[in-house]
Amino acid sequence: DIQMTQSPSTLSAFVGDRVTITCRASQTITTWLAWYQQKPGKAPKLLIYKASNLESGVPSRFSGSGSGTEFTLTISSLQPDDFATYYCQQYDTYSYTFGQGTKLEIK
Amino acid sequence: QITLKESGPALVKPTQTLTLTCTFSGVSLSTTGVGVGWIRQPPGKALEWLALIYWDDDKRYSPSLKNRLTITKDTPKNQVVLTVTNMDPVDTATYFCVHTFYGSGTYDYWGQGTLVTVSS
Repeated sequence: DIQMTQSPSTLSAFVGDRVTITCRASQTITTWLAWYQQKPGKAPKLLIYKASNLESGVPSRFSGSGSGTEFTLTISSLQPDDFATYYCQQYDTYSYTFGQGTKLEIK
Repeated sequence: QITLKESGPALVKPTQTLTLTCTFSGVSLSTTGVGVGWIRQPPGKALEWLALIYWDDDKRYSPSLKNRLTITKDTPKNQVVLTVTNMDPVDTATYFCVHTFYGSGTYDYWGQGTLVTVSS
């Protein structure tokens, strides 16, 4: 299985901050990477696919980049609604593994 | 609008078989490209991909759980069923039903999830 490692595990930030979350794959996945946002008690929501493509309806303050084994999710100016847990997911090969998650907390 | 809803027992005993049903609307497994799958999440932990079935009955399973999983579809009923054999307390999780499209690799619609607890 391809292992996905996210960092940091927890991130504290203020509203308005620019934040970046990193996801590393144990082997190259080209750009077959997605990012999801999950709020407590809710299902995850797809934010970004193919490393840098914004899903329809997702605010433009979210962006993704990277290729190969290293990827980032950036939120340009944090809004109160953005405090949640974020997961990366590779879909280069079955099984489609997820990272362990990054919890974004209000400072 | 695509909606999915999971149903099944909230509590199962160790060694029992879990059967979960996903009932969906707004999409059909008779449509080329459509896929429906399952992802689970133990309490406070990360997501784990389990299985996927496509419109043409192509099935994919998590390699680590393949021997315990079976996914089937009932196209006229708009349902997908997942069975997990030999349940263990470590299988306690919220099980989500998800929609995808062949080749996309991502899950754009999710059910609300159903919590399954494994305990004697």
